[in-house]
Amino acid sequence: GAGVSQSPRYKVTKRGQDVALRCDPISGHVSLYWYRQALGQGPEFLTYFNYEAQQDKSGLPNDRFSAERPEGSISTLTIQRTEQRDSAMYRCASSLAGGGGSETQYFGPGTRLLVL
Amino acid sequence: GNSVTQMEGPVTLSEEAFLTINCTYTATGYPSLFWYVQYPGEGLQLLLKATKADDKGSNKGFEATYRKETTSFHLEKGSVQVSDSAVYFCALTNSGTYKYIFGTGTRLKVLA
Repeated sequence: GAGVSQSPRYKVTKRGQDVALRCDPISGHVSLYWYRQALGQGPEFLTYFNYEAQQDKSGLPNDRFSAERPEGSISTLTIQRTEQRDSAMYRCASSLAGGGGSETQYFGPGTRLLVL
Repeated sequence: GNSVTQMEGPVTLSEEAFLTINCTYTATGYPSLFWYVQYPGEGLQLLLKATKADDKGSNKGFEATYRKETTSFHLEKGSVQVSDSAVYFCALTNSGTYKYIFGTGTRLKVLA
């Protein structure tokens, strides 16, 4: 079956522009996560959804970052007024149940964002 | 807090050599431990996991044993292949949470 998909795969934008990154999780997966990965580093948690409810947004770096999952399926991560320091790989993951403990998260291919 | 420390890369080996990538962790409670792999141009894929002390995860010839006494989850493979060239990430989640905490990744290069 289809895995987690993300679009666009690459995004180049100018500083100050808004960008929207899309994640389509595995069908039927309840939980959805966003991570950010800087070059040479491991992914870092941004936010988590259980169905449409955003349960944790503690990893969002500032109020320019927001995320939604209005129908409990596709999610959008939006970065307003982008800055060069926002350049990174943005990864989405999903899991079958409510998250937690030993549950496996399945990752998408990521969106590489470059802010000029 | 929770954290994961991996050995620095890159690791360069000849084909059929023995591989060890060290991973140690700091966590309260009873974490679950994972190894993910990222092949060139692809996303993160789960390689193996272990959910309690002394469990051994294994897949595709790779193994890792959850050692609570040494807080380690080292990745091993007896005979690497060129196709194993990738970046390997160690990660943990803790009971009652859902955030993965990742290490910085270790790049493996296997030469023919």
